[in-house]
Amino acid sequence: DAGITQSPRHKVTETGTPVTLRCHQTENHRYMYWYRQDPGHGLRLIHYSYGVKDTDKGEVSDGYSVSRSKTEDFLLTLESATSSQTSVYFCAISGGPGGGGNTIYFGEGSWLTVV
Amino acid sequence: QKEVEQDPGPLSVPEGAIVSLNCTYSNSAFQYFMWYRQYSRKGPELLMYTYSSGNKEDGRFTAQVDKSSKYISLFIRDSQPSDSATYLCAMSDYYGQNFVFGPGTRLSVLP
Repeated sequence: DAGITQSPRHKVTETGTPVTLRCHQTENHRYMYWYRQDPGHGLRLIHYSYGVKDTDKGEVSDGYSVSRSKTEDFLLTLESATSSQTSVYFCAISGGPGGGGNTIYFGEGSWLTVV
Repeated sequence: QKEVEQDPGPLSVPEGAIVSLNCTYSNSAFQYFMWYRQYSRKGPELLMYTYSSGNKEDGRFTAQVDKSSKYISLFIRDSQPSDSATYLCAMSDYYGQNFVFGPGTRLSVLP
């Protein structure tokens, strides 16, 4: 296991409510990512972080925000959940350039249903 | 044209068969190549990791990279029902901060 813990693992929420998903790593990796995975779309990058307080947008960032106040924690917030955000969300980590860091490890996923 | 193409399957084979899974890509900057196995309702699990062109073997699994053709393959020998999963190819450039994934091939190995 890559030392990645996601919480909650399952959540049902109502449209319009804010939701925060948490990712915690024990590997001290520099890069952390949030992906969503949907049938027909594969894995799509939402946001990523390349250090504490350093974040950037991915290809499907609208409606999502992130924060990273500590190396080990990366939070994904759905500001006002919509049904189109029903998905499985994966946190991932990478060591970054060189040093064997050119690969990425995934958490077990957080299943979110917006009703 | 998508950056990474992968036959989505599904692919069904009998137990003991040799399985070939393939991806093509368009970005010549990719230097690191990965294969992931994803069981239903689980996260992707790193299976194989290779750098540049060549072959890498790990037990029943062999990863091949042909950078000149922009083509990577994963071979599974003596396939088992426990190999039934979705297989994702992935790649990154030298800087290793941006990863591109194929859509995945769903494999079923029938007893």
